[in-house]
Amino acid sequence: TQLLEQSPQFLSIQEGENLTVYCNSSSVFSSLQWYRQEPGEGPVLLVTVVTGGEVKKLKRLTFQFGDARKDSSLHITAAQPGDTGLYLCAGEHSSNTGKLIFGQGTTLQVKP
Amino acid sequence: EPEVTQTPSHQVTQMGQEVILRCVPISNHLYFYWYRQILGQKVEFLVSFYNNEISEKSEIFDDQFSVERPDGSNFTLKIRSTKLEDSAMYFCASTRYRAKNIQYFGAGTRLSVL
Repeated sequence: TQLLEQSPQFLSIQEGENLTVYCNSSSVFSSLQWYRQEPGEGPVLLVTVVTGGEVKKLKRLTFQFGDARKDSSLHITAAQPGDTGLYLCAGEHSSNTGKLIFGQGTTLQVKP
Repeated sequence: EPEVTQTPSHQVTQMGQEVILRCVPISNHLYFYWYRQILGQKVEFLVSFYNNEISEKSEIFDDQFSVERPDGSNFTLKIRSTKLEDSAMYFCASTRYRAKNIQYFGAGTRLSVL
């Protein structure tokens, strides 16, 4: 069974601070995606990482895929109140049907 | 921008009743999925669907569940006899390519079983 452990589950920081969210597994994923989910809405894709060691940047967000494609991180620089929300990582399962395995999610609160 | 649409946004039903949750995937997408999220828990895979048949289903997707793409645009999830524990948000997703796919999610249907 492929599992993704996401940490921390909750994070409350002040505006301007940096933070990192981690997504770890003992299994290899062919790709890993990061989503953001607002209350009452579906997950919205932020980025997909595919290659081991890959780093992608989206403004103040930096996403990294581990060399062995078992883990990933999301780093936010100079967090702003608008970054508040639920962040989800999801790995593409090795069954190759496109099935996504989700982590538990990280609820981020950025206080002004 | 194309999007996945789901209806209804909220469905309330009595235990034992049948419900059908509807989804309209993005028009040129070929792979379709249902996920659910029980309140406070992680998003869980239910089923994947391609070429008019199920590709994979989870343990949750027992014989009370079925999926259908009746007319080439809608993609439905039917729960034949709902149980209290079926109460959850149900998300439909679609993608054009299976490998290294980018799945687009609908806003979800909140199912409340009383």
